[in-house]
Amino acid sequence: GAVVSQHPSRVICKSGTSVKIECRSLDFQATTMFWYRQFPKQSLMLMATSNEGSKATYEQGVEKDKFLINHASLTLSTLTVTSAHPEDSSFYICSASRGTKSYEQYFGPGTRLTVT
Amino acid sequence: AQSVSQHNHHVILSEAASLELGCNYSYGGTVNLFWYVQYPGQHLQLLLKYFSGDPLVKGIKGFEAEFIKSKFSFNLRKPSVQWSDTAEYFCAVQIKAAGNKLTFGGGTRVLVKP
Repeated sequence: GAVVSQHPSRVICKSGTSVKIECRSLDFQATTMFWYRQFPKQSLMLMATSNEGSKATYEQGVEKDKFLINHASLTLSTLTVTSAHPEDSSFYICSASRGTKSYEQYFGPGTRLTVT
Repeated sequence: AQSVSQHNHHVILSEAASLELGCNYSYGGTVNLFWYVQYPGQHLQLLLKYFSGDPLVKGIKGFEAEFIKSKFSFNLRKPSVQWSDTAEYFCAVQIKAAGNKLTFGGGTRVLVKP
């Protein structure tokens, strides 16, 4: 159990457009989901934490108006990169936790975003 | 803010060699500790975790890690590596008082030569 999926796995978009990435917990209810960004050959940087039904909490330096996060259900969170620019090109990874008191996170396979 | 340091960025070794990857964190309070592995082209997988109790933790695939509180360290070890252990390894820390946010170390790329 504890499988997390992401869709799409790869996306290429033009500069100025918006792209939505979905994160789903397939076999458990995820009260909390996290969005990370991973630059090439670097570690994961937490972008935001989202709890189902409430607004996401963004890390310092992450623009909430650019990276819109919605966590409308216990199995789905979405990250929308608005007005994407080439510097937004990156690997975006989500993770899910069974609850706010559950410390283990289960990671999705990631989404490679390329902005041309 | 807490930080996590992984001392080695790249490690190259031969099959059957022993592996030890260092991880240190900077936070004086109670923490949960994790090691994740990312095989080429795959997603992060949990190798092992420490929440409390025995500081020597055994994980999957023959890995183990030892939590040394006085040294703020959580080093990962494997006595005899295989070619299939080629991957990137990440140490991560949670501050218990701050919910379940993870702070990752910079990662260590391990290449095992057959």
